[in-house]
Amino acid sequence: EDKVVQSPLSLVVHEGDTVTLNCSYEVTNFRSLLWYKQEKKAPTFLFMLTSSGIEKKSGRLSSILDKKELFSILNITATQTGDSAVYLCAAVNSGNTPLVFGKGTRLSVIA
Amino acid sequence: ETGVTQSPTHLIKTRGQQVTLRCSSQSGHNTVSWYQQALGQGPQFIFQYYREEENGRGNFPPRFSGLQFPNYSSELNVNALELDDSALYLCASSWGQVRDYGYTFGSGTRLTVV
Repeated sequence: EDKVVQSPLSLVVHEGDTVTLNCSYEVTNFRSLLWYKQEKKAPTFLFMLTSSGIEKKSGRLSSILDKKELFSILNITATQTGDSAVYLCAAVNSGNTPLVFGKGTRLSVIA
Repeated sequence: ETGVTQSPTHLIKTRGQQVTLRCSSQSGHNTVSWYQQALGQGPQFIFQYYREEENGRGNFPPRFSGLQFPNYSSELNVNALELDDSALYLCASSWGQVRDYGYTFGSGTRLTVV
């Protein structure tokens, strides 16, 4: 059975800190890994990673995929209170199948 | 601003009742999927429709059913509601295969079964 495991499940940091969120996966015929940010209801798309070792960046957020070790990390530098959210990691395989989500990491950034 | 809209935003139902949730896909998207997200959990796949045909289903009982219409909007129907059906129901749309383009999620419907 395909599965995605995220760690830690929750994290509290101070503004300005740098955080690293982890996501490991076991997915048959893996194709891509996606990161989403969920603040209240709708998860919003952050990154899609398909190739190993290529970092994707968007402002203070960056992510990288390791297809050999079957994991991905999401880094957030200089955290702000607006980064407080649940960060979801999801994997998709090469067939026409849906996303398999992890439980998410709840990040709380305090001033 | 998300292009996927869901209605209603909140709903309270009694155990044993039936409920219909609605989703309007983002313009141009022909694939829609439904997910159930219980409190403190990641979204769990219910089913997916592509051009009005169901083409994938998760581990949910038959009392969870759906439809996709010619305009690619969609409905999720749940019969004989149980307390454990209380959750956030998310609709997500994409153009073509999700593996290439990812999903756009709606804001969800919060269903409470009492």
